[in-house]
Amino acid sequence: SQQGEEDPQALSIQEGENATMNCSYKTSINNLQWYRQNSGRGLVHLILIRSNEREKHSGRLRVTLDTSKKSSSLLITASRAADTASYFCASDMDSNYQLIWGAGTKLIIKP
Amino acid sequence: EAQVTQNPRYLITVTGKKLTVTCSQNMNHEYMSWYRQDPGLGLRQIYYSMNVEVTDKGDVPEGYKVSRKEKRNFPLILESPSPNQTSLYFCASSLSTGGNTGELFFGEGSRLTVL
Repeated sequence: SQQGEEDPQALSIQEGENATMNCSYKTSINNLQWYRQNSGRGLVHLILIRSNEREKHSGRLRVTLDTSKKSSSLLITASRAADTASYFCASDMDSNYQLIWGAGTKLIIKP
Repeated sequence: EAQVTQNPRYLITVTGKKLTVTCSQNMNHEYMSWYRQDPGLGLRQIYYSMNVEVTDKGDVPEGYKVSRKEKRNFPLILESPSPNQTSLYFCASSLSTGGNTGELFFGEGSRLTVL
């Protein structure tokens, strides 16, 4: 399956600032998911947004989905050093039991 | 505690020596999957399973085998490992409904080096 696209590839910001990551996909989806991976560890599910939703919040996370542009964004507000990680989007297409993964955004929060 | 457990976490082996990476989940999930992660190539799916005795190839199945005899276990078998299979491997599971993968739960990863 083709890889989705994420940008930026890397992002370095000061603690307390907001971080925004973008994801684009190519085909119609049932839902889109965001995951976090701390260096060398397993991925952790952050949030799932369905194709009929436009925005979703979870704590300091805000995810938007624009199905007309086939894109999603993840906003982390008031960043903390512990948010330093790689973030991946994964688009869940209809009926094929496979996720299309983005290449990931490496986020570094400077204290 | 809900978890996906992989073993071994780290392994160094030699070319051609058969090995098995085990994966077990305690959440009664139907769907299980194996990925490998390589620098610059992201996550690539090796095999997945929708339920017991049902498996299918992912993007990079060559050189790997899987089996799903029980719902909780999904071992990854490398019959004759080669150096290009040196990678970080992840097992994942999900409830999965109606053809959609759903939220994946990942294991901590198995770092394999083939000399």
